[in-house]
Amino acid sequence: DVKVTQSSRYLVKRTGEKVFLECVQDMDHENMFWYRQDPGLGLRLIYFSYDVKMKEKGDIPEGYSVSREKKERFSLILESASTNQTSMYLCASSIVRDSQFFGPGTRLTVL
Amino acid sequence: TQLLEQSPQFLSIQEGENLTVYCNSSSVFSSLQWYRQEPGEGPVLLVTVVTGGEVKKLKRLTFQFGDARKDSSLHITAAQPGDTGLYLCAGGASNYQLIWGAGTKLIIKP
Repeated sequence: DVKVTQSSRYLVKRTGEKVFLECVQDMDHENMFWYRQDPGLGLRLIYFSYDVKMKEKGDIPEGYSVSREKKERFSLILESASTNQTSMYLCASSIVRDSQFFGPGTRLTVL
Repeated sequence: TQLLEQSPQFLSIQEGENLTVYCNSSSVFSSLQWYRQEPGEGPVLLVTVVTGGEVKKLKRLTFQFGDARKDSSLHITAAQPGDTGLYLCAGGASNYQLIWGAGTKLIIKP
């Protein structure tokens, strides 16, 4: 069974902290994505990666960075967390753009 | 800027009723996908349609892609409580990106 796992389901951090969100997929997919999901706004793409060590900005990259050192792992980093980054964060992977497989999400609260 | 508008935003109906949700745009998409997301989980792909006018069926769910590839609909026959969830449509835009609708929150009451 295909699987995308995310390191935490729930996370509470303080303003200014550095936050790491980890995502691992076991499907040998080339493409990986980080989204945030807020009520009424749908999914907004933060960053994506189409190969190891490759990354591209999505629609809302400000305040975030990413790392992809291995094919199966894609990390999202909040350099200095702020309250407006409180959200649900979803990681996905795919072979082609369509048919993305999602992890369960990390609900991040920044106090 | 490509946008996908979903309607209605919220729908609450009784078990056994039929319903249709819509996904509309002024832009042409190369493909259109529907996902369902349950509370506390990530979205799960239901179907991908790629040809204008295409109709796909998944048990009681019928998906249609508009002839001009600008819109899509999801019809559920005899809805069941297990159909409850957030339904998201996503259109194929650039090589790597999907354009996402804001979703239709569906509640089926027993």
